[in-house]
Formats: sequence, structure tokens, C-alpha cells
Amino acid sequence: DSGVTQTPKHLITATGQRVTLRCSPRSGDLSVYWYQQSLDQGLQFLIQYYNGEERAKGNILERFSAQQFPDLHSELNLSSLELGDSALYFCASSPDINYGYTFGSGTRLTVV
Amino acid sequence: AQSVTQLGSHVSVSEGALVLLRCNYSSSVPPYLFWYVQYPNQGLQLLLKYTSAATLVKGINGFEAEFKKSETSFHLTKPSAHMSDAAEYFCALSGGGADGLTFGKGTHLIIQP
Repeated sequence: DSGVTQTPKHLITATGQRVTLRCSPRSGDLSVYWYQQSLDQGLQFLIQYYNGEERAKGNILERFSAQQFPDLHSELNLSSLELGDSALYFCASSPDINYGYTFGSGTRLTVV
Repeated sequence: AQSVTQLGSHVSVSEGALVLLRCNYSSSVPPYLFWYVQYPNQGLQLLLKYTSAATLVKGINGFEAEFKKSETSFHLTKPSAHMSDAAEYFCALSGGGADGLTFGKGTHLIIQP
């Protein structure tokens, strides 16, 4: 157990739908990062939050959004889903870049 | 812009042989460099990290990596491969800012009995 908890582990949904992925960071970590892993794109940085505020954006589509709540858990919202959104979505947390990131076990999203 | 290149999408070694996974980077600022391992259906686990201290970094499971600025490299080695080392390995880079890690495409390590 890495200390970063992601739910659900698996999600199957239809095109056009909206889903929410949840992440609880490791205790004490203020930064939360979201990554998408797919066979063709590899690991892509989506977005970072630090203590409730958006810090950096990567290759995140406009159909996707995220937020971090006062208790530091984060949610990634994916809407108008397309087949190409099928991927593993990872959350990671960190107290500081010097420590590297601790990753959760991921949510496997399948869009049918 | 920063980038990470991992040479060899698949590397096969015999059990007990030396493991060498290659990583080259490009960064306009002094980098922080990381190696992660991913086992099937699992998340990424940090193996080791370079954060501008010692250039030879020791990690978990007997792995180590050497930061060579002149060669812009951060290759991962292990003296003797074990069957349990079979996994996907990712090299990653950060410029120390808030832009997240940039990952290489990964190297699948195969251990032959």
C-alpha cells in the first residue's frame, strides 16, 4: 500500500457519459498530480494541485477538469467520454519534488 | 522544453546477468531525475532519485543509477538480474517546478531463466 488511494479501480462506461475519479493523497502531502497512461501516448501529465489550488496544467483536454478539496483529496472529472479516453488514470502525491512522487494503483477506465 | 529518451523498448537479460537500462534527458535547467518500476496491473513505484546530491544514486531492490551531466544520461543498473525484476521501467525528469514529471516511454525488462 503506497498510501495514495484511488477509487474506483475499474470503471466501464459508455461514450458521451461523465465519470469522476477520486484520489486521496498520502498523509501530509499537499500536492496531487493526475496522469493518464495509454499504450500509444505513454504517461502523460494532466494537472497538478497544491493545497487546493491549481498549480500546473499539462496535456489535459477541455472535457476534463479536476479539483482538490480542503481535506486534500482530489477528483478528476471526465465528460463527453470518447473511446480514446480509455486508459489508466493515475494519481500521485508529493510533499516536495525532492522526494519524488508516490503513485496510487490507478483507475482503469474503459469507454465502450 | 524537457524530454526523456529511453533507449530500447524491450531489454532481455539472463537471470544473474547485469541489467542496464538506458535513459538520456534534455533539460534547460538542472534536472531532478527518477526511475520508477511498474509491475503488471499496478501503479508506479519509485526505485531511486537524483536531486543534485551524489551523482551515484542507490535505490531499492539492488538498483543504482549514475547521473552524468556531460552525457545527459541517467542509466539504471543492477549487477545481477532476478526473475522478480521483470517489469516496466520508466525514467522521469523534473525541472524542479510545478510542471509535473516528464516520463520516458518505458523499457520492458524481460528476464530469461
